[in-house]
Amino acid sequence: AQSVTQPDIHITVSEGASLELRCNYSYGATPYLFWYVQSPGQGLQLLLKYFSGDTLVQGIKGFEAEFKRSQSSFNLRKPSVHWSDAAEYFCAVGAYQGAQKLVFGQGTRLTINP
Amino acid sequence: DTGVSQDPRHKITKRGQNVTFRCDPISEHNRLYWYRQTLGQGPEFLTYFQNEAQLEKSRLLSDRFSAERPKGSFSTLEIQRTEQGDSAMYLCASSPGQGADYEQYFGPGTRLTVT
Repeated sequence: AQSVTQPDIHITVSEGASLELRCNYSYGATPYLFWYVQSPGQGLQLLLKYFSGDTLVQGIKGFEAEFKRSQSSFNLRKPSVHWSDAAEYFCAVGAYQGAQKLVFGQGTRLTINP
Repeated sequence: DTGVSQDPRHKITKRGQNVTFRCDPISEHNRLYWYRQTLGQGPEFLTYFQNEAQLEKSRLLSDRFSAERPKGSFSTLEIQRTEQGDSAMYLCASSPGQGADYEQYFGPGTRLTVT
């Protein structure tokens, strides 16, 4: 069965600082990996996704993520955060076949210090 | 393309009452998903439709829960005899479901509070 672990429940960074959010997954085959962002009271917005090919993927809002099969990781990065990046971030893994439902981690809440 | 919409956005109900939520997916998306998100957790899969057929249900979906998608368009999720443990955000997502390059588009959710 698929599973996702986001080790950091809450991270605080200063505006303009770099950011890395960790994600480790467990899946028996080639995973489909996603990062979503959720602002308070809102639904989920897709930041980026990985299916195959280049292991460094670019997303919206200046985010990128790197797939490392050997470490079962898909960490999200941003070189310089903005106050508007404060939100909850979710990593998810999707199955290749069947319902292709998403299995989410518990999320990392990002706080930005001015 | 107006995105996935959900109605209502908020629902407060008393324990034991029935509630029904509606989801309108992006037009021509043939896959529709329901997820539940409790406070401090990531969304958890509840059920999935391919057109009008409900093809998978999670063990989280007790007998009090039922979902439909008549004619493969909008979907409803009904909870009968609500319990306080049903309090959560209920998220709907749709997907074109074409080949391997799928993506799920989420609605804003319906927040249910059971008092």
